[in-house]
Amino acid sequence: AQTVTQSQPEMSVQEAETVTLSCTYDTSESDYYLFWYKQPPSRQMILVIRQEAYKQQNATENRFSVNFQKAAKSFSLKISDSQLGDAAMYFCAYRSAVGNEKLTFGTGTRLTIIP
Amino acid sequence: NAGVTQTPKFQVLKTGQSMTLQCAQDMNHNSMYWYRQDPGMGLRLIYYSASEGTTDKGEVPNGYNVSRLNKREFSLRLESAAPSQTSVYFCASSFSGLGQKGANVLTFGAGSRLTVL
Repeated sequence: AQTVTQSQPEMSVQEAETVTLSCTYDTSESDYYLFWYKQPPSRQMILVIRQEAYKQQNATENRFSVNFQKAAKSFSLKISDSQLGDAAMYFCAYRSAVGNEKLTFGTGTRLTIIP
Repeated sequence: NAGVTQTPKFQVLKTGQSMTLQCAQDMNHNSMYWYRQDPGMGLRLIYYSASEGTTDKGEVPNGYNVSRLNKREFSLRLESAAPSQTSVYFCASSFSGLGQKGANVLTFGAGSRLTVL
């Protein structure tokens, strides 16, 4: 079974600075998807960014980018120019590209933005 | 578009009572899911339905039943609620596809907070 590990329960960053959230996963599959979801205090789960394992290029979405290291099974999220609205729980998630469609989540990292 | 709609948003039950959480999506997604979220444990899959008429157990199915009523609706039932089922429940949906925009991405409802006394 696949597992997703987020080793940083809490992180903080000064407003306008850059922060990196870590995620590692364990799988024997070669084709899969990886995601970062954000959960603000409103509780709504919001997709931040996604990465297909077959793509070598790291995904980017405005201030959000990932460092995808397939051999190391690592998928970190970098937030540049941090803003107060970035404060939230961030979840890393894994999904197989074949057959089973369920999403497996990590335990989350709570990000605090310091004004 | 309403996306994924869950009801109720809040519910308090007594031990042994039953209830059904309703979920509906209007995006024509084929797959639907129920997750529970507990502090320090992330989201854990209870049940999922890859298509209308099929359901499969996830990581924590005990104490729950599901019904995929049609393509739009996927309900979660607690037959005899227990305090261990106090949690926030999320319904989600997705569609499978290769290279299609939005494919394989889960869209979540707003969550339902359930307290069992």
